Amino acid sequence: EVQLVQSGAEVKKPGESLKISCKGSGYSFTSYWIGWVRQMPGKGLEWMGIIYPGDSDTRYSPSFQGQVTISADKSISTAYLQWSSLKASDTAMYYCARWRLKAHDYWGQGTLVTVSS
Amino acid sequence: DIQMTQSPSSLSASVGDRVTITCQASQDISNYLNWYQQKPGKAPKLLIYDASNLETGVPSRFSGSGSGTDFTFTISSLQPEDIATYYCQQYDNLPSFTFGPGTKVDIK
Repeated sequence: EVQLVQSGAEVKKPGESLKISCKGSGYSFTSYWIGWVRQMPGKGLEWMGIIYPGDSDTRYSPSFQGQVTISADKSISTAYLQWSSLKASDTAMYYCARWRLKAHDYWGQGTLVTVSS
Repeated sequence: DIQMTQSPSSLSASVGDRVTITCQASQDISNYLNWYQQKPGKAPKLLIYDASNLETGVPSRFSGSGSGTDFTFTISSLQPEDIATYYCQQYDNLPSFTFGPGTKVDIK
């Protein structure tokens, strides 16, 4: 069974750093892209970027380029999304989702990030 | 960047009604268009890929059509469990596989 399990909710202060994770299982982790999607409170889905764990090829949406870093450790089948300096506007639910060539077919349960002083 | 629009932004319909949502791309995206369903508090779920292909396990009352810039998503007979927000997504153009703004569907 394909599963993407994300790390737990985080509460951080502005300026702090953060790295959240997404562990894949039940499939060949290195053979599928993994994307990240943001959903701010009460808002729609925003596509952030995508990584191919097989060779760490990473693409960012222009809206998120330079704002976050996407990475992966294929040895432990885990993708990451990280911030070096959080802002209050980073408060959102973040989803990872496998990309099956044409669509995001499996999704993680989401990680809620709250940034507040 | 390819921009996606959806209409309506919300709708209210009765059980058994036919529901139609439209999605428009700012440029030709061929059939590179997906539809997702998101229920409150849950992760999105893939319903339709390549504009008209039903994902395995998805009920046949859901369907999609269109190509180029104009796409349609239809629920042939609305059920109570279909209460959700529906999003289109284009994947013609990396580096951004843009989502539409969503259409919230509820029961009248």
